[in-house]
Amino acid sequence: QKEVEQNSGPLSVPEGAIASLNCTYSDRGSQSFFWYRQYSGKSPELIMFIYSNGDKEDGRFTAQLNKASQYVSLLIRDSQPSDSATYLCAVNEVTGGFKTIFGAGTRLFVKA
Amino acid sequence: EADIYQTPRYLVIGTGKKITLECSQTMGHDKMYWYQQDPGMELHLIHYSYGVNSTEKGDLSSESTVSRIRTEHFPLTLESARPSHTSQYLCASSESSDNEQFFGPGTRLTVL
Repeated sequence: QKEVEQNSGPLSVPEGAIASLNCTYSDRGSQSFFWYRQYSGKSPELIMFIYSNGDKEDGRFTAQLNKASQYVSLLIRDSQPSDSATYLCAVNEVTGGFKTIFGAGTRLFVKA
Repeated sequence: EADIYQTPRYLVIGTGKKITLECSQTMGHDKMYWYQQDPGMELHLIHYSYGVNSTEKGDLSSESTVSRIRTEHFPLTLESARPSHTSQYLCASSESSDNEQFFGPGTRLTVL
């Protein structure tokens, strides 16, 4: 079992819809969680980070964290074609040493 | 915009050549990382550093080496390039292990 798991997709949603991206992690001691966006041929860039259980909203993006279920998600409201990219979930693990583990990413395609 | 730079951006070389990929950041970050990523595939951590004179191997076995003589500089060297080294190499830095990582633009390496 991978330490950080994401559905590889592609996830296809129509323009204006809500895109829901999910991520599970294995280290119960993890404290910090990040969502990065990576356009094809480009480097990853941070979208959001979340440290506490619950929801965190930033514009059209909402990160949700449930530590009991070891689950973190990213919701994109009013999806735009420019949101089409790969979304990487990253988790800072503490077990075995402090390090960041990236998921394999979910490809999102927003249809105009 | 992140102040992390990589040179060269593109490199095509022949088998057996020694190459050094440069990475510099002006943010004063202690933590720096090198990732390898093939097109459409996940990130693989190959080296990281927690500060000057600190270097560690990552999760993916790599024939490359790194050095960290100055905080801002984290070069990666391949002593003898092979076609299997063809990939994109991404450098990143972070203020601490618990913070977001800022990525450079990457070096796309092709070994003929």
